[in-house]
Amino acid sequence: SQKIEQNSEALNIQEGKTATLTCNYTNYSPAYLQWYRQDPGRGPVFLLLIRENEKEKRKERLKVTFDTTLKQSLFHITASQPADSATYLCALDIPLYSGGGADGLTFGKGTHLIIQP
Amino acid sequence: DSGVTQTPKHLITATGQRVTLRCSPRSGDLSVYWYQQSLDQGLQFLIHYYNGEERAKGNILERFSAQQFPDLHSELNLSSLELGDSALYFCASSYGGLGSYEQYFGPGTRLTVT
Repeated sequence: SQKIEQNSEALNIQEGKTATLTCNYTNYSPAYLQWYRQDPGRGPVFLLLIRENEKEKRKERLKVTFDTTLKQSLFHITASQPADSATYLCALDIPLYSGGGADGLTFGKGTHLIIQP
Repeated sequence: DSGVTQTPKHLITATGQRVTLRCSPRSGDLSVYWYQQSLDQGLQFLIHYYNGEERAKGNILERFSAQQFPDLHSELNLSSLELGDSALYFCASSYGGLGSYEQYFGPGTRLTVT
């Protein structure tokens, strides 16, 4: 079955530094990969979508890379701020019939990012 | 504000009871997804509706059912509730039903079963 791996341990980063989060997946080759932010007790919020033929996508201080050979996506937040502290989820379009966990998008469990002032 | 509304925000009920959670998708979105998120757990996919039709089921218990109405709002019915059903329930909407579409999540309904 499909597996999406994100660091289960919290990531502590000093304010102003670049935070880098990792999303690894196995087996299936998704055509799309998305990143979401989730604050405690709130619904996830869409951040970025990257296609398999795109190596990199940027939006303000956010950057996502997608390496289909390594089966890995990296999510970067530059000039990090305490307000960036949240859980970040990656999501891939792995169909249920291919072992995905959901229809449409299969979500990883997320990495908890803490930006220290 | 995602444009997705969910009611109620909080629900406290007793074991064995039945509740209905309601979701209104963003204007123009045809897909509605339901997820369950327990403490420290990831998003568990329950069910997906597209334009009124059930499209896919995940790990949804037989005690749970859902439907999407002609106006595209959706309801999730949970019956014979157990303590373990206590969780945050999210609905999300998207324009299409594929992974190429971003999902917009509602604020969630926090269900507490006592």
